[in-house]
Amino acid sequence: GQNIDQPTEMTATEGAIVQINCTYQTSGFNGLFWYQQHAGEAPTFLSYNVLDGLEEKGRFSSFLSRSKGYSYLLLKELQMKDSASYLCAVNRGYSTLTFGKGTMLLVSP
Amino acid sequence: DVKVTQSSRYLVKRTGEKVFLECVQDMDHENMFWYRQDPGLGLRLIYFSYDVKMKEKGDIPEGYSVSREKKERFSLILESASTNQTSMYLCASSLEDRAEAFFGQGTRLTVV
Repeated sequence: GQNIDQPTEMTATEGAIVQINCTYQTSGFNGLFWYQQHAGEAPTFLSYNVLDGLEEKGRFSSFLSRSKGYSYLLLKELQMKDSASYLCAVNRGYSTLTFGKGTMLLVSP
Repeated sequence: DVKVTQSSRYLVKRTGEKVFLECVQDMDHENMFWYRQDPGLGLRLIYFSYDVKMKEKGDIPEGYSVSREKKERFSLILESASTNQTSMYLCASSLEDRAEAFFGQGTRLTVV
């Protein structure tokens, strides 16, 4: 079966750091993606992890532990424009993605 | 820039109608996908295709079919639309396995 869990909502303050966790149990694992989706818009790619460890890209970092079925997305120096839904997705092969339900992040001044 | 274009942003159809949702990508991607997105359920895979004329069922294919006659175009067909198919439909494409998927803007379909 496929099960991906992430918190439904999170709030944080501008300039702060926030960590969004994702745990997964899937049949088939070929890497884990994080996408950002603003309201009414298409999801856009943030990061991809296929090996254990931390991938850093500017203000965003993503971590993967395959043995624990766990990933997190770390957002630093939060800005108002970071208010969005963050989607954790497991690649089951052929880039077919199983998504979590998404975490709505609200950044306040 | 990769562009994935869906033919309509909003559609309203009647129950029982045959509905076609069209998607075109301009970067010669091998893989194309159709997802639907519903509040509280997230994105769910309907069908995908990894080559022209090839199609594979995703997690929720019932009530849908697809067509991929050309590499750049992937169509989703609702054979007989029902109210439970009211949803946001998102098309995506990717170059190869492990490559990021690029999404279209979505088609919000309402079946009345």
